[in-house]
Amino acid sequence: GQQVMQIPQYQHVQEGEDFTTYCNSSTTLSNIQWYKQRPGGHPVFLIQLVKSGEVKKQKRLTFQFGEAKKNSSLHITATQTTDVGTYFCVGLRDSNYQLIWGAGTKLIIKP
Amino acid sequence: EAQVTQNPRYLITVTGKKLTVTCSQNMNHEYMSWYRQDPGLGLRQIYYSMNVEVTDKGDVPEGYKVSRKEKRNFPLILESPSPNQTSLYFCASSARGVSYEQYFGPGTRLTVT
Repeated sequence: GQQVMQIPQYQHVQEGEDFTTYCNSSTTLSNIQWYKQRPGGHPVFLIQLVKSGEVKKQKRLTFQFGEAKKNSSLHITATQTTDVGTYFCVGLRDSNYQLIWGAGTKLIIKP
Repeated sequence: EAQVTQNPRYLITVTGKKLTVTCSQNMNHEYMSWYRQDPGLGLRQIYYSMNVEVTDKGDVPEGYKVSRKEKRNFPLILESPSPNQTSLYFCASSARGVSYEQYFGPGTRLTVT
């Protein structure tokens, strides 16, 4: 079953509000990747985090990897309509070097 | 242009009729993978290949076959499709394995009636 829990499943925000999605793993991860999938599209790679406690920024997006390498978050500041889509985390299991995908968080901008 | 292509993009078929979904990449990537995407479940890996003639099961391999005879191609075969294989399928490739970013194809929406 799913071993990377991603929450929330959906988040509705007004344009200009912030958005955060969280991923938690039951096991230690070698690294974690984040992907974005626009409606009707395919997943597109955003970033990879490797080091414990790592923080990376891409313009309004901030990615964090936990100290224990079991959790991660993506925070978007001042959302725009172009941010709409589903955000996935993907962890690489330390134990067997297999990828595990979170179920995704769908970002919806309220009209 | 660097890309992953899949064909067909849409397919409606009947139970039991064998089908193949093709996947090709032009980036000389070693690693290729197939996923299915179902609402609320994210992406689940079906099979992956670390290189030519090397394939392995992912999380949901039952009912699927793959082959990797050439580096660029990684077809997905459904020998006897069933309605529970109705899904959106993605092929992906990566330069050197699972530690690196994956490039996804546009997806194949399959309906089995």
